[in-house]
Parts: sequence; C-alpha cells; structure tokens
Amino acid sequence: GAVVSQHPSWVICKSGTSVKIECRSLDFQATTMFWYRQFPKQSLMLMATSNEGSKATYEQGVEKDKFLINHASLTLSTLTVTSAHPEDSSFYICSARGTGGFADEQYFGPGTRLTVT
Amino acid sequence: GENVEQHPSTLSVQEGDSAVIKCTYSDSASNYFPWYKQELGKRPQLIIDIRSNVGEKKDQRIAVTLNKTAKHFSLHITETQPEDSAVYFCAASRAGFKTIFGAGTRLFVKA
Repeated sequence: GAVVSQHPSWVICKSGTSVKIECRSLDFQATTMFWYRQFPKQSLMLMATSNEGSKATYEQGVEKDKFLINHASLTLSTLTVTSAHPEDSSFYICSARGTGGFADEQYFGPGTRLTVT
Repeated sequence: GENVEQHPSTLSVQEGDSAVIKCTYSDSASNYFPWYKQELGKRPQLIIDIRSNVGEKKDQRIAVTLNKTAKHFSLHITETQPEDSAVYFCAASRAGFKTIFGAGTRLFVKA
C-alpha cells in the first residue's frame, strides 16, 4: 500500500508557458499533500502544504501566484507553475500523508523533472 | 524555526563495513522519525522509521536508535553492499505538522 503517483515524470516547456503537475495517492486518502523542490545534490525544499478542500500554506519565499496548488480531492493535488522561466527548472516531488495508519507516514511521488527553455 | 541536523554529509565505506548516520532534532514534541533513501533521479523511499515510544528498531541490516533526552537518532547499516550507495535523509515530525528533513548524507559503498 501507500503508493503515490506523479504525472508527468518529465516535461520541457518554453519560457512564459504554464505547466501543471499532478500528484495522486492511489490506495489511501491523503488528507495532506506536500510539494517539494529539489536541486541537484541538495535536500528537499518544502514549497507548500495543501490540505484537501482548503488553501495551501506556502513556505516563506515561495510565490503563491507563481506556484498554484489545488487539493481538490483526498486523492489528487496539482501544482501549476505559471509563466515558467529557466530558473524554475528543477525536480519537483510531491508527497502524501494520510489518516489512520498513515497519519504520520509520508510517501513520495516519483518526481517531475521540469526543464524550461 | 525547527530544524534537523544530519552528519556526516558524505560517508565512504568499504563493502561489508558498517555505516552510521546521525541526526539531531530541535522540536522536543517530535514523535515520529523516518529515514529515507534516495537514489539518483528517483523518489525518496521510506526504509525505516521509529516512534518516540521506542528506543530501537531493527529491520534486517538496518537499525535505528532514538535518544529522546538528547534529541538524537541514528541510522545503522551493517554489512554494507554497493546497492546501499545513495543519499539518506533523516526527518522528524509529528501529526498535523510539516516534516523537517535533514540535509542528507551521501553514502558511497566501495566494492
């Protein structure tokens, strides 16, 4: 159990366009989902926390208008990178935390490698 | 803010030797301490975890110890193998709060 999927696994887009990344919990209900950004050889940088049905909580320094997060259901959260620029190129990883037996365990999606040209 | 310190940042061992990674956390209310293994270009995978009501947990070649008083926890890998080479992250959390990750330890196991 505890499988999290993420789509797409990689995407290349042109500067100025928007990209949507989906994160799904496949076999459990994720009350909370997290979005991370990871630079090469660095740790996970938390961007925002989203709870189903409510607005996401963004970390300091993360532009909420640029990184739009929607957690519409207990199994789906999306991250939209708006007006992407080359400096947004990175590895984006989501994770999901559920209820009951999964209340504190956190499971990661496979990540999305975004390249903005 | 709350933080987790992880040492060493890089660790190189000979195949068959043991590897130990240590973490210290600041939030005394943390009660869940997972360890993740991340291979290059892949997702972090939960390899073992420990809760604050337990002092030690073992799963085959992997063990984790927790000292709540000192706010230290450690990962021990015995009989290391080349496939253990990866980046390992410790973390501290409690239900309802975000997880705080360490900076990671890059483990190299030389054959």
